[in-house]
Amino acid sequence: QKEVEQNSGPLSVPEGAIASLNCTYSDRVSQSFFWYRQYSGKSPELIMSIYSNGDKEDGRFTAQLNKASQYVSLLIRDSQPSDSATYLCAVKRPGGYQKVTFGTGTKLQVIP
Amino acid sequence: EAQVTQNPRYLITVTGKKLTVTCSQNMNHEYMSWYRQDPGLGLRQIYYSMNVEVTDKGDVPEGYKVSRKEKRNFPLILESPSPNQTSLYFCATSGGNTGELFFGEGSRLTVL
Repeated sequence: QKEVEQNSGPLSVPEGAIASLNCTYSDRVSQSFFWYRQYSGKSPELIMSIYSNGDKEDGRFTAQLNKASQYVSLLIRDSQPSDSATYLCAVKRPGGYQKVTFGTGTKLQVIP
Repeated sequence: EAQVTQNPRYLITVTGKKLTVTCSQNMNHEYMSWYRQDPGLGLRQIYYSMNVEVTDKGDVPEGYKVSRKEKRNFPLILESPSPNQTSLYFCATSGGNTGELFFGEGSRLTVL
């Protein structure tokens, strides 16, 4: 079982719709969760961090965390063509070292 | 401007010819790490460093070396590159043990 799993997609949504991206993780002790966006040919860019159960909103983005189900999601409201990218879910275990594990990413296509 | 600078950005080399990919940051971050990104496998951590002279292996350290003699620099050394090290390499930094990573622009390495 992979430590962090994502559907590779592509996930296609029409412009203006809500895009829903999902991620599951295997290590129950994980405490920190992240969403990175990676445009084609570019480096990953952090867009959301979430550390406790529930929802966290930032503009058009909402991250949702359910530790009991070991599930993290990212909602993008009013999707724009500029949101077309690969979204990487990342998980960090607690402790004094920088162990961040990434999923393989979900490719999102927003159709104008 | 906050920057993580990698060099070279692109390199084609031959099997066995030692090479170094440099990474330099101007954010005074303690944590630095190297990742490689391969299709279908996602981002995998090679090595990380928590501070000067403190380094440790990530998930795929074989065939790589690192050093951290100065806080701002974290070079990745391939002593004897092989074709399976053909990949896209990213250096990443973090200001604390948060998992919130700031990536360099990437170095695409091809080993023939």
